[in-house]
Amino acid sequence: QLQLQESGPGLVKPSETLSLTCSVSGGFISSSSHYWGWIRQSPGKGLEWIGSIYYSGITYYNPSLKSRVTISVDTSRKQFSLRLSSVTAADTAVYYCVRDTFGACDHWGQGTRVSVSS
Amino acid sequence: VVLTQSPGSLSLSPGERATLTCRASQNVSSSYLAWYRQKPGQAPSLLIYGASTRATGIPDRFSGSGSGTDFTLTISRLEPEDFAVFYCQQYGYSPYTFGQGTTLEIK
Repeated sequence: QLQLQESGPGLVKPSETLSLTCSVSGGFISSSSHYWGWIRQSPGKGLEWIGSIYYSGITYYNPSLKSRVTISVDTSRKQFSLRLSSVTAADTAVYYCVRDTFGACDHWGQGTRVSVSS
Repeated sequence: VVLTQSPGSLSLSPGERATLTCRASQNVSSSYLAWYRQKPGQAPSLLIYGASTRATGIPDRFSGSGSGTDFTLTISRLEPEDFAVFYCQQYGYSPYTFGQGTTLEIK
C-alpha cells in the first residue's frame, strides 16, 4: 500500500523559504510510470498544482510559481522535497504531496498546514 | 484552462442520484479530465481519470462522461460517505488546474 507523508515546519516567516519533504513508503519512487508532485489548498485559491518531478530529476512547475519553486528528489531516501522562496501570507495553505500518474493524482499525503506569519 | 463546476452545492438524500458538471474554458485534450472526492478533514482522493475510467477500488456507482469542454460525474445511489466536496481537474495542459468544487450536502 503506497503511502505518502509530508513533513516540515508549520510556521514560516514572511520573506523566508518554505521547505517540505514527502516520504514515500510501500512503493517505488523510481517508477518509470509516475511523477511526484505538490499541490496546495487554501480557502482563497482552492486547489493549486505547484509542480511535479520525475525520479530522474526532470521537473515541471506551475508558471505562476515557477520563479520561487524548487522541487527535488532523493531516490536513495525515497523522498522528494519542495522549496518555496520569498513566502507571503498568500502562501498559507495545506500542502499535499501526491503521486502524479501522467497528470491524475492517484495517491495523496494527508497534508500539512503551513502558515506564513511573523 | 479555467474549470467551472456546477452547481456550487447540491442537497440530496442517501439513495438518490447526483449529477455534477464541469465545464472547461477550452477543449481538454484526449479527455485528460479527473474527478476527486474530498471528505471533511481529509485529502482529496481520485475517483475518475481519463474522463470516464474509475480509479482502483472505486465502486461502479460512480461514473464519468463527457469530452471537449463538458464533463459530468454521476453518482447513481448516494451513500453517506458521498456527502463531501467534489473537484474536477484537467491535466491536458500545463499548469494542471482544478475546478472550485461542488459540495454535496445531506437533505
